[in-house]
Amino acid sequence: NAGVTQTPKFRILKIGQSMTLQCTQDMNHNYMYWYRQDPGMGLKLIYYSVGAGITDKGEVPNGYNVSRSTTEDFPLRLELAAPSQTSVYFCASSLAPALGETQYFGPGTRLLVL
Amino acid sequence: AQTVTQSQPEMSVQEAETVTLSCTYDTSENNYYLFWYKQPPSRQMILVIRQEAYKQQNATENRFSVNFQKAAKSFSLKISDSQLGDTAMYFCAFMKRRHPGGSNYKLTFGKGTLLTVNP
Repeated sequence: NAGVTQTPKFRILKIGQSMTLQCTQDMNHNYMYWYRQDPGMGLKLIYYSVGAGITDKGEVPNGYNVSRSTTEDFPLRLELAAPSQTSVYFCASSLAPALGETQYFGPGTRLLVL
Repeated sequence: AQTVTQSQPEMSVQEAETVTLSCTYDTSENNYYLFWYKQPPSRQMILVIRQEAYKQQNATENRFSVNFQKAAKSFSLKISDSQLGDTAMYFCAFMKRRHPGGSNYKLTFGKGTLLTVNP
């Protein structure tokens, strides 16, 4: 079972460059999330989606954009990379949070902006 | 705003011994869920255990158990018979409805406790 997959695993960007972090899940989960984890910190929510075509901002959305055209995919876009976006990014999905279902996390993408 | 506090940035324990990680949270809600996640050096986030706030019975998963004190807003994790593979960062997390009556939920994480199991 693949679960939640993320690509790339690691990327170095120059300031001002753009990139898309890919996230795919094969569990038919409606809910998907993007988090960032800064050193020594817990995860902070960037964006989330409750289904195809529906997205909403989390705690730290500035500098990012998302789209959800299919149930499986939830890409995160960085338009103008800044050093403050150096972090580890996690994608997650869940089936039924109303029932206390946990979120399943991908392996993470480590991003370094120089 | 909901907050999750893990007061122990780092802890260590000898292999085969028992260790307890602390977590407190702040909320005015009555219905919510609590989780402990483990993040080993691979950085993969792995669910360890979950607790529904409406259940008085403490959750248990093999060597992992929690002490859930709802009135005190405390949710500690006990690891029995610690193993070297338990070495990881442990995050306490709190989940509740984003808006009253809504279907969206928000998961809030603490800053984590780094647990080292020594041989």
